[in-house]
Amino acid sequence: GQNIDQPTEMTATEGAIVQINCTYQTSGFNGLFWYQQHAGEAPTFLSYNVLDGLEEKGRFSSFLSRSKGYSYLLLKELQMKDSASYLCAVRDSNYQLIWGAGTKLIIKP
Amino acid sequence: IAGITQAPTSQILAAGRRMTLRCTQDMRHNAMYWYRQDLGLGLRLIHYSNTAGTTGKGEVPDGYSVSRANTDDFPLTLASAVPSQTSVYFCASSDSRTGGNEQFFGPGTRLTVL
Repeated sequence: GQNIDQPTEMTATEGAIVQINCTYQTSGFNGLFWYQQHAGEAPTFLSYNVLDGLEEKGRFSSFLSRSKGYSYLLLKELQMKDSASYLCAVRDSNYQLIWGAGTKLIIKP
Repeated sequence: IAGITQAPTSQILAAGRRMTLRCTQDMRHNAMYWYRQDLGLGLRLIHYSNTAGTTGKGEVPDGYSVSRANTDDFPLTLASAVPSQTSVYFCASSDSRTGGNEQFFGPGTRLTVL
């Protein structure tokens, strides 16, 4: 079966750095996505990785290792507004997204 | 309108009733999707449409139907609602023709079936 694993919840301090991990087992691989979802709102796109390595976009970076079935999202200089759920999703061989359950990130002052 | 809209925002429905959730996008995206999101689970694909006039089944299609008569609209119908269909429903769209990878989501419909 297809499976996306990520931690249920993480806590970090304002101004710090946090890494959210995602491991996957899917039928085929056509890219990995990270989305942010604030409580009661829709998911919004953060990053996309299809090749191994690090993609940097401002305070957010995303890393992919296809051989290990592993990705992480790195958030730097954490702000209170970063409190949200972070969703990992993999596009499979049918070009459909398979979603993890999300990681709820709590930022403390 | 700009982007993707859904209606209603929320709805309480008696079991056995028929209900249509509406979704409209003005971005001329070819692909559209319906997901449900339940606590502790990832988004699960119900149905999708890669282009107007075509639809496909996702991971959890039973009890739901869709149509795609034109590019902009992608309604989701529950023929006879059951309590297990209580969920938050998100519509999304993407433009796969230009290599776009991002799915844009509507604000969601919170449905409660009693």
